[in-house]
Amino acid sequence: SYVLTQPPSVSVSPGKTASITCGGDNIGSENVHWYQQRPGQAPVLVIFYDSDRPSGIPDRFSGSNSGNTATLTISRVEAGDEADYYCQVWNASTAHLVFGTGTKVTVL
Amino acid sequence: EVQLVESGGGLVQPGRSLRLSCEASGFIFNNFFMHWVRQAPGKGLEWVSGLSWNRRSIGYADSVKGRFTISRDMKALHLQMNSLRPEDTALYYCVKGEGRFDDMSDAMDVWGQGTTVIVSS
Repeated sequence: SYVLTQPPSVSVSPGKTASITCGGDNIGSENVHWYQQRPGQAPVLVIFYDSDRPSGIPDRFSGSNSGNTATLTISRVEAGDEADYYCQVWNASTAHLVFGTGTKVTVL
Repeated sequence: EVQLVESGGGLVQPGRSLRLSCEASGFIFNNFFMHWVRQAPGKGLEWVSGLSWNRRSIGYADSVKGRFTISRDMKALHLQMNSLRPEDTALYYCVKGEGRFDDMSDAMDVWGQGTTVIVSS
């Protein structure tokens, strides 16, 4: 099966930049999507197809994907960005739709 | 407003069955891939199953293959869950595919609020 590995937690001060990685075998060849899940709420799509932003998502959120690592970057972090973040891919070679292990972002 | 509303969750004994449903509104339901995603208490997201609008593309997680069946009609998505196990206990989300490629690689752009399934004796 295909595994996506994320750091369990990332801490960041308000106004600074948070980077969340998603590691997977040759993930650079896949379309990577990112979801934000605030406590008690359903997930929300924040980045799709590696670096595209859905309407309504602030441009503080950006994404990149190359080699074995995809990255979600949150610039000028705000208190409201505190949430769990998940990466996701469809791995055609294994026919598995996979979510990453999740990263809890804490705003200090 | 685009909306997905799940129903059918509840408390069920191991080995029994349950059928979840998801009513869609605010978009042309028959044009989009749909999925079920679950989240066990305190755990991460786990994809369960997905089904294309024309029912030609279908997939299941290994953990539910042979026990769960996804289906859809004109307005709703369903998940028939048989031979339930305690490890199936979770909040089950109905999710809409975003539609760029109309396949499993699409992002998931609309999520319901979920319905809770508890498998316990």
